[in-house]
Amino acid sequence: DAGITQSPRYKITETGRQVTLMCHQTWSHSYMFWYRQDLGHGLRLIYYSAAADITDKGEVPDGYVVSRSKTENFPLTLESATRSQTSVYFCASIGGGLNTEAFFGQGTRLTVV
Amino acid sequence: AQKITQTQPGMFVQEKEAVTLDCTYDTSDQSYGLFWYKQPSSGEMIFLIYQGSYDEQNATEGRYSLNFQKARKSANLVISASQLGDSAMYFCAMREARGGADGLTFGKGTHLIIQP
Repeated sequence: DAGITQSPRYKITETGRQVTLMCHQTWSHSYMFWYRQDLGHGLRLIYYSAAADITDKGEVPDGYVVSRSKTENFPLTLESATRSQTSVYFCASIGGGLNTEAFFGQGTRLTVV
Repeated sequence: AQKITQTQPGMFVQEKEAVTLDCTYDTSDQSYGLFWYKQPSSGEMIFLIYQGSYDEQNATEGRYSLNFQKARKSANLVISASQLGDSAMYFCAMREARGGADGLTFGKGTHLIIQP
């Protein structure tokens, strides 16, 4: 199916563990993004990528790592999960210019205990 | 400084009334795009409407319109004849001409509740 999909949808992990959230899009969109959504903060940009092998930090990158070896995939890794990283994570992609809306995945609800 | 400011954390509106959700933005770019997204309780992000900085007319999409006042840097969303299904979080967002590199910057959102 065409679209942007995230996996897993729900994840519970322990403090200190490494966890990877997956994001896959089928449109070959150049731009991909990871956001976290927390009550009172809206969506905050963690990392973004303008193309394969090009990534850069957003507003809240600490504690996260990304890679983009293929255009369609943009995994987000929490190297050593902390309770403050409990959040809903959204992946998004944009295929064109300023007038092009972002398409979002369904979100991953991550709980760090 | 906040790039996108939504000053209404929550709003209660009677069904069938019109609703205005406020959004102000801050950019030094001449070319930018403004977006509104809806997030119902199910969690998905739904694109509603887009306004380009060079668009002379306000954008409209069905019951949604965007009241764009460029000099005031405001991009308010207007929902006409509200329905119960309009109850959701609404986010204003901006994309700047420096490119997708800066991504889409979101405001903190407005929680809209439509009352019967």
